[in-house]
Amino acid sequence: AQSVTQLDSQVPVFEEAPVELRCNYSSSVSVYLFWYVQYPNQGLQLLLKYLSGSTLVESINGFEAEFNKSQTSFHLRKPSVHISDTAEYFCAVSVRGSQGNLIFGKGTKLSVKP
Amino acid sequence: EAGVVQSPRYKIIEKKQPVAFWCNPISGHNTLYWYRQNLGQGPELLIRYENEEAVDDSQLPKDRFSAERLKGVDSTLKIQPAELGDSAVYLCASSLDSGASGANVLTFGAGSRLTVL
Repeated sequence: AQSVTQLDSQVPVFEEAPVELRCNYSSSVSVYLFWYVQYPNQGLQLLLKYLSGSTLVESINGFEAEFNKSQTSFHLRKPSVHISDTAEYFCAVSVRGSQGNLIFGKGTKLSVKP
Repeated sequence: EAGVVQSPRYKIIEKKQPVAFWCNPISGHNTLYWYRQNLGQGPELLIRYENEEAVDDSQLPKDRFSAERLKGVDSTLKIQPAELGDSAVYLCASSLDSGASGANVLTFGAGSRLTVL
């Protein structure tokens, strides 16, 4: 069975500092990887995804994640965060050909302080 | 374009009472999902529909939970009777793709927060 581990439940950082949100997964088969973000009082939104090709994927708002098959990781990074990045971030995995059933981690709450 | 619409946003009931949640997916999205998110946890799939057919309901507690998507558009999720442990946020999501590959992107509604007293 597949599982997702987000090692940090909360990450406080100051504005303009770099941040890394860690995600590890376990699976014996090929997977797709996703990061979803949930802003306060809103639904989850896709931030970025890895399906195939380049292992480094980027979002439109400056986040990036790198798929590392050997370490079974998909960490999310941003070199300089803004107050508006304050949200909960969920890493998720689906097995190729699994009918799209996403398995989510427990989430990491990112708090950006001025 | 309207997103995935869910109602009610909040519901407080006493245990043993029934409750129902409604979801209107994005127009044209044939695949609809219901997830449950417990406090401090990630969402967990309850049921997935392809049009009006429930293609994966293996995680739905069928003794008290039921769902329907009669015309392949709107969906309702019902709990009867509710228990204390059912307190959670119930999320509806939809996707354009059929989901066969596992690569489809889900669009989530804001969720329905249930509190059972």
